[in-house]
Amino acid sequence: GNSVTQMEGPVTLSEEAFLTINCTYTATGYPSLFWYVQYPGEGLQLLLKATKADDKGSNKGFEATYRKETTSFHLEKGSVQVSDSAVYFCALSRSSGYALNFGKGTSLLVTP
Amino acid sequence: EAQVTQNPRYLITVTGKKLTVTCSQNMNHEYMSWYRQDPGLGLRQIYYSMNVEVTDKGDVPEGYKVSRKEKRNFPLILESPSPNQTSLYFCASSTLGGTNEKLFFGSGTQLSVL
Repeated sequence: GNSVTQMEGPVTLSEEAFLTINCTYTATGYPSLFWYVQYPGEGLQLLLKATKADDKGSNKGFEATYRKETTSFHLEKGSVQVSDSAVYFCALSRSSGYALNFGKGTSLLVTP
Repeated sequence: EAQVTQNPRYLITVTGKKLTVTCSQNMNHEYMSWYRQDPGLGLRQIYYSMNVEVTDKGDVPEGYKVSRKEKRNFPLILESPSPNQTSLYFCASSTLGGTNEKLFFGSGTQLSVL
């Protein structure tokens, strides 16, 4: 079945540093890919998505490109802020149904 | 305001004492789902529902029940809780169809079973 592997955390960065969180996937068919963010004490929120190969999702300065050739959907941001401290989940749609398969999450801590 | 509301936010109980975690959404979504979040395991789906009176098992349904009598509500029932069900639970909802699926999550219920 469809599955996602994302880099282990925690990731600690200084403010204004460049962020990359790696995500690779295995899938049958053509899944949609997502990044969700979970701020402390809250539920998950959709950060960005891409529905087909070479699509780039972007939101709040974050970007991720759906790379079919490398089966990847890495999350990037050019300059992180303290307010970006959260847990980030990569996810993909399943081959049947409407559920998503989530990665294990990567915790990001941005220090001033 | 569009939202998914879960109650309670925190719950401590003892083994074997039946409990219900409520979930309600105000977006007229057809699809609703329950996930549990455990350290190192990410989110795993427990049950889901595609519409009223239509429910199905997710990846880890053992020890849980759900019902969908009304479109807005999707309660999670633990008939006889056990310590291995100590976890952070999330309810989520979504519209169906097309490429616009976007899950809306509740704020979570932290359950401890002693």
